[in-house]
Amino acid sequence: NAGVTQTPKFQVLKTGQSMTLQCAQDMNHEYMSWYRQDPGMGLRLIHYSVGAGITDQGEVPNGYNVSRSTTEDFPLRLLSAAPSQTSVYFCASTSDRRGNTEAFFGQGTRLTVV
Amino acid sequence: GENVEQHPSTLSVQEGDSAVIKCTYSDSASNYFPWYKQELGKGPQLIIDIRSNVGEKKDQRIAVTLNKTAKHFSLHITETQPEDSAVYFCAAIRSGTASKLTFGTGTRLQVTL
Repeated sequence: NAGVTQTPKFQVLKTGQSMTLQCAQDMNHEYMSWYRQDPGMGLRLIHYSVGAGITDQGEVPNGYNVSRSTTEDFPLRLLSAAPSQTSVYFCASTSDRRGNTEAFFGQGTRLTVV
Repeated sequence: GENVEQHPSTLSVQEGDSAVIKCTYSDSASNYFPWYKQELGKGPQLIIDIRSNVGEKKDQRIAVTLNKTAKHFSLHITETQPEDSAVYFCAAIRSGTASKLTFGTGTRLQVTL
């Protein structure tokens, strides 16, 4: 059981480039989220999804797009990378069945924009 | 929206001592409070959680307490061991919003020999 798989683990982009961070889960969870982690700021919510075909913005959505065409996959797209998007990105998959809420995180993607 | 504050940002204890990390939240509708441990190079992992209808929960050496009136919750680690060294995050969430955890800023715990 792989849980939440994120790729790539490391990426360096030039300012203005675009890329997609991949996230896949095999737990059949309905909820998925993207967070960014910056020093001293904890994890901040970028976008989230409550099911296939449904996405919404979190706290820091600007510069990012998401889609949820299947239950398993939730890719995060950087449209035109900026140095301010240098961060560690985490995808999470959450089940909220019968009040049992637990978020499972991927290993993270460390992104550097130069 | 919800705002979660976490203190201290760093904590150093000697092996065998206790460690306490405190969080406050702002949204009185939040009713689920998980704690996550993040080891170097890894994603956060749930270690313990508490719901608003419970005041305290224990799991071996870790415990969490909740004061709903004061909107405080705390993580207590007893008999600390070197493998407890990590970054700990508290979070708060309202039922039905399982994809929208609000995290504290994290506490880096260092357990020294």
